[in-house]
Amino acid sequence: GQNIDQPTEMTATEGAIVQINCTYQTSGFNGLFWYQQHAGEAPTFLSYNVLDGLEEKGRFSSFLSRSKGYSYLLLKELQMKDSASYLCAVSDNTDKLIFGTGTRLQVFP
Amino acid sequence: SQTIHQWPATLVQPVGSPLSLECTVEGTSNPNLYWYRQAAGRGLQLLFYSVGIGQISSEVPQNLSASRPQDRQFILSSKKLLLSDSGFYLCAWSRDRVSPLHFGNGTRLTVT
Repeated sequence: GQNIDQPTEMTATEGAIVQINCTYQTSGFNGLFWYQQHAGEAPTFLSYNVLDGLEEKGRFSSFLSRSKGYSYLLLKELQMKDSASYLCAVSDNTDKLIFGTGTRLQVFP
Repeated sequence: SQTIHQWPATLVQPVGSPLSLECTVEGTSNPNLYWYRQAAGRGLQLLFYSVGIGQISSEVPQNLSASRPQDRQFILSSKKLLLSDSGFYLCAWSRDRVSPLHFGNGTRLTVT
C-alpha cells in the first residue's frame, strides 16, 4: 500500500537549522515534493527531487535516497515566518500525488 | 502565467443540503485537475483527479462526486451533505505527474 511518514511536530529556535524527515513506500516513484502550508492557507511548492542527492534552493535544501525510500527537508537560518506545516508528497506510477500528514514546525525567538 | 480560481472561500451548509464547489484554471490547456480535502490538523486526502474532460477517478468511496464539463473546469458536488464532510477543500492543477501541484486558495466548508 501507499505510506508516507513524517514527524507530527517539531520546534526550533530562530537562526537555527532544522531537518524534517520523510520516509515513503509507494507503488512506483516519479518524484518527491515538499510543500509549505501556513495555517488556514493552501500549500505552496518548495522543492522536487527525482534523482538521489541534494537540491539546494536558498535557505531550503531537499535530499532524496530512492534506495532507502527517504527524504529530508533542511531549513537553514530559521525565521519566525518559517513556522508552518511542511508536507512531503510522492508522485506514484499513476497521476496521483500522495501526501504525508505533514510536520508542524514552530520557530521560537 | 497560469492561475487557479476556487470559490467560495467559506461555506456553511446544513446537513442534508447539496454542495457545489467550482474550480477553474487559466493560462494552460489539458491540465491534470485534483480535489483534495484536509480535515482539521490532518493531511491532504485525495478525493478525485482528472486527466481530461469527462475523465474522473475517485479515490475514496463517499457521498461526493466530481465532474469536468470543460477542459479547465472542475466541480465538486454532493446531493446531501453529512457532518463528516466538513473540512478544507483544495482544488489543484499540474501539467503532468512529475510537475508540481498548484493549489487554489481553498474552500472552508462547515456542515452544521
